[in-house]
Amino acid sequence: DQQVKQNSPSLSVQEGRISILNCDYTNSMFDYFLWYKKYPAEGPTFLISISSIKDKNEDGRFTVFLNKSAKHLSLHIVPSQPGDSAVYFCAASAFADKLIFGTGTRLQVFP
Amino acid sequence: GAVVSQHPSWVICKSGTSVKIECRSLDFQATTMFWYRQFPKQSLMLMATSNEGSKATYEQGVEKDKFLINHASLTLSTLTVTSAHPEDSSFYICSATGGGEFYEQYFGPGTRLTVT
Repeated sequence: DQQVKQNSPSLSVQEGRISILNCDYTNSMFDYFLWYKKYPAEGPTFLISISSIKDKNEDGRFTVFLNKSAKHLSLHIVPSQPGDSAVYFCAASAFADKLIFGTGTRLQVFP
Repeated sequence: GAVVSQHPSWVICKSGTSVKIECRSLDFQATTMFWYRQFPKQSLMLMATSNEGSKATYEQGVEKDKFLINHASLTLSTLTVTSAHPEDSSFYICSATGGGEFYEQYFGPGTRLTVT
């Protein structure tokens, strides 16, 4: 039972353009959502998060949008840079319980 | 700051043997450590949560007698896969928190286990 889904295993974007990574969830009890970035041979690192009481959170080039009615969140990266090339995981949690991860989306930003 | 290391980064063992994976917080005291497993093209799945000095809490479906977790100090947790079988081959990754918010987890680089 995959409660957090990232349906796009990969995404390729030109440098300078916007990258949009999507994540869907099924559990309406999730109240906190996170995005992690993972480079090869390294562990995931926290990128940005959002609470269910908000619909948008912005941090520099990264913005996360939450649509609770659609049970959908997205990560926008603008402008995309080659250093953003990595695997991005979304994760969700209910009541500060364990993190439930998606399967990841590999982003490639090309010049 | 907030660096977590894992050792070894990869290991091959024969079926029936046991293998130990170490997870260390290098520059902070980890009050809680988490162990995850990731199969190819699947998500990170939490196996267990351990607090320093107490027994680990295992997720449903994870055999605690097979996956022994020890969190004896504030900087070290170990995962021992006992009597390993080929189906235990996976990517094992740990994370640690220093007493902050539960989601402030710092991840290690992972350990690739292959059981032949």
